[in-house]
Amino acid sequence: AQKITQTQPGMFVQEKEAVTLDCTYDTSDPSYGLFWYKQPSSGEMIFLIYQGSYDQQNATEGRYSLNFQKARKSANLVISASQLGDSAMYFCAMREGTSNTGKLIFGQGTTLQVKP
Amino acid sequence: GAGVSQTPSNKVTEKGKYVELRCDPISGHTALYWYRQSLGQGPEFLIYFQGTGAADDSGLPNDRFFAVRPEGSVSTLKIQRTERGDSAVYLCASSPGGGLSYEQYFGPGTRLTVT
Repeated sequence: AQKITQTQPGMFVQEKEAVTLDCTYDTSDPSYGLFWYKQPSSGEMIFLIYQGSYDQQNATEGRYSLNFQKARKSANLVISASQLGDSAMYFCAMREGTSNTGKLIFGQGTTLQVKP
Repeated sequence: GAGVSQTPSNKVTEKGKYVELRCDPISGHTALYWYRQSLGQGPEFLIYFQGTGAADDSGLPNDRFFAVRPEGSVSTLKIQRTERGDSAVYLCASSPGGGLSYEQYFGPGTRLTVT
């Protein structure tokens, strides 16, 4: 069964430093997509980055990069040069490609706090 | 352009009552999704529409929950005989299509409280 696991309930990082948020996944589908979303205290879900299972290179979007290790089934989010505005809840999510469902399966989330 | 909108933003209802939650997707988006998010948890999938039809309703918890999208745009999530356990934030999302790599754009959510 498809599953996303985020084992870090809370993380702290000093402003301007890099931080890695962990995510492992489980699926038997060879075709899948992995997503990271940010949810500030205001509640909206903001898309950050996407990685497809067949993508050869790790995805990057500005200060966000995804450390994709397919054999280990991990898709960790790396945020470089942390800013105070990065303080939020972060969710890893997966979508399977073979089934026609379209649904995202989310992890439990990691709360990130950036210290000045 | 306008993002996904949801109304109402907050809804308080008594146990046993009927509620309707509305979602206006981004114009032109054919795919629409409903999720439910309990406090401190990740969103849980409820239902997925492609156009007017429900392509996947496997996440609806029971037959008290129903959703429609009659014209392929606005969707309404309907909950009958509400229970206190239904209290959560209900999120709607839309995407341009059902493709694997399409990001889902989320609305601000409706916070439902059942007293």
